[in-house]
Amino acid sequence: DTEVTQTPKHLVMGMTNKKSLKCEQHMGHRAMYWYKQKAKKPPELMFVYSYEKLSINESVPSRFSPECPNSSLLNLHLHALQPEDSALYLCASSQDGVRWGENTEAFFGQGTRLTVV
Amino acid sequence: AQSVTQLDSQVPVFEEAPVELRCNYSSSVSVYLFWYVQYPNQGLQLLLKYLSGSTLVKGINGFEAEFNKSQTSFHLRKPSVHISDTAEYFCAVSINGGTSYGKLTFGQGTILTVHP
Repeated sequence: DTEVTQTPKHLVMGMTNKKSLKCEQHMGHRAMYWYKQKAKKPPELMFVYSYEKLSINESVPSRFSPECPNSSLLNLHLHALQPEDSALYLCASSQDGVRWGENTEAFFGQGTRLTVV
Repeated sequence: AQSVTQLDSQVPVFEEAPVELRCNYSSSVSVYLFWYVQYPNQGLQLLLKYLSGSTLVKGINGFEAEFNKSQTSFHLRKPSVHISDTAEYFCAVSINGGTSYGKLTFGQGTILTVHP
């Protein structure tokens, strides 16, 4: 199983709503990532979790709150978003972020397409 | 910091013709290099990667890339493309080392359109 599963596939939310994106992998990977991809742009890293600890936060606004409840799950909690936050949110995982040089491959999910109205 | 430049935003090509998608990178430290493909409304799929060793790297779906350290380039090639290769292609780099935690920095992407 080399899949990273993201739910939901599509999400429309109002600016006052609270919602969560979910990501799951069963490959035994210990590094998990959130990327944001705006239309016609490349993915940009938001967060990295390594061994369930937040290792990188790319100065993401606090209205985005990541959570890693266990080694297989990664959530992204959304609150008070703005229309400019509309984008494709991609989750990825890799075997080991600390020993990145030994097994350098990130597996991406299909993404959640988020629209903020 | 590292950066990636993909020199062509769009590349149209006829079916069965060869194609080259160009990528240049900039970094003050040693990097790993990747090519990913993204089909419409999909995630990213790894085509190939360069870590070390042979500068010619072969990947999936008949793609290959050549790492050129002196020119800081990592161009992607395919000798004969198919309609199904129509997609967006991203070149990416990561720092060679654990402190990057596998962070990928992507180029702007090249849309490859294969015409019949």
